[in-house]
Amino acid sequence: QQQVKQSPQSLIVQKGGIPIINCAYENTAFDYFPWYQQFPGKGPALLIAIRPDVSEKKEGRFTISFNKSAKQFSLHIMDSQPGDSATYFCAARGVTGGFKTIFGAGTRLFVKA
Amino acid sequence: DAGVIQSPRHEVTEMGQEVTLRCKPISGHDYLFWYRQTMMRGLELLIYFNNNVPIDDSGMPEDRFSAKMPNASFSTLKIQPSEPRDSAVYFCASSPNRGASGELFFGEGSRLTVL
Repeated sequence: QQQVKQSPQSLIVQKGGIPIINCAYENTAFDYFPWYQQFPGKGPALLIAIRPDVSEKKEGRFTISFNKSAKQFSLHIMDSQPGDSATYFCAARGVTGGFKTIFGAGTRLFVKA
Repeated sequence: DAGVIQSPRHEVTEMGQEVTLRCKPISGHDYLFWYRQTMMRGLELLIYFNNNVPIDDSGMPEDRFSAKMPNASFSTLKIQPSEPRDSAVYFCASSPNRGASGELFFGEGSRLTVL
């Protein structure tokens, strides 16, 4: 079954805190693991992505940590800001079974000023 | 450069009516995806096309749903007849070819309310 499990469902942090969102997958054929950010009334937009041959990727304040053996990956937001308040989705794209991206359930993040 | 364009942005209809949602992908993108977003089920992939050909429609919930892509710049998602449980935000996304990053470019969605 091609599923991506995401937690927590919601998260509240103080400005400057480091929210961490976790995801786990089952299908070892996934080859691309993106994170999308969605603001109310907008479509999701790519934030950062990683491939399974890399254990960590950093872009600005956003970092993905990837554990291939555990089939888990997580998003860390350093020095979080109120403007980071949004819904975050992890996802996975498979090679076998078609070129399709499966999304986690989403995490609603609120960063207090 | 224009992004993915969806219309209508909002649609309110009564149960039993036909609904047609439209999408214009980014020019040059080979893949087009239709997703449905609800609080209960999150983002569900309904169907996707490659070079205008439907590749996987296993996510289409019922025969009431159909999707077409008559050319590289236009796709429709039709629901006939519509039911209240179809109320959701429907997103269209496009993506460049398989060899590229795999990034999905989403439109702003069509919010459907079926009364």
